[in-house]
Amino acid sequence: KAGVTQTPRYLIKTRGQQVTLSCSPISGHRSVSWYQQTPGQGLQFLFEYFSETQRNKGNFPGRFSGRQFSNSRSEMNVSTLELGDSALYLCASSPGQGDFNYGYTFGSGTRLTVV
Amino acid sequence: AQSVTQLDSQVPVFEEAPVELRCNYSSSVSVYLFWYVQYPNQGLQLLLKYLSGSTLVKGINGFEAEFNKSQTSFHLRKPSVHISDTAEYFCAVSAQENSNSGYALNFGKGTSLLVTP
Repeated sequence: KAGVTQTPRYLIKTRGQQVTLSCSPISGHRSVSWYQQTPGQGLQFLFEYFSETQRNKGNFPGRFSGRQFSNSRSEMNVSTLELGDSALYLCASSPGQGDFNYGYTFGSGTRLTVV
Repeated sequence: AQSVTQLDSQVPVFEEAPVELRCNYSSSVSVYLFWYVQYPNQGLQLLLKYLSGSTLVKGINGFEAEFNKSQTSFHLRKPSVHISDTAEYFCAVSAQENSNSGYALNFGKGTSLLVTP
């Protein structure tokens, strides 16, 4: 069974640009959530999607957005990039909302560097 | 809202010694508790979880944790560590604030476990 797949693995962008990151959950998983990991702030929750609906959102500015498609794949977008957006972005999937029998399964992440 | 405090940022330990990584949480609702491990340049791997039932939870790689509701703690233990256990360990809590809200994993800042010969 394939795991959670995040693409691309590495990305370098310039300040002011926008970026789109992709996450394909484990087959059959319908809940996808996103996290930002930085050395200073640690792991912070961005948002959670279930059945194409955003069910929860963390404390991030509106420049951070996301969506989920009917096949449960998810994308997150960051507009007007700032240097502080440099981070490892992690995606996690679970079978259903609040279904923790297998915990959340994380992808390997996308390392975004803003220059 | 829930929060997690990992009491030690770094824990050095000798190989084959026991180790305990401490985690305390706060929440106004029932919670689910997790420990994850992260190796360099990788994502997070689930070590173990507490959902309900027995308060002693056993996970992978010989780790176990005990849920203590009165002390709001979920400490991780291993009786004998190996060099390969060197990694970053994260405690996390998840809960649903109300029936209309989703879930979010709230992580602690992490504990860096360094195992030396």
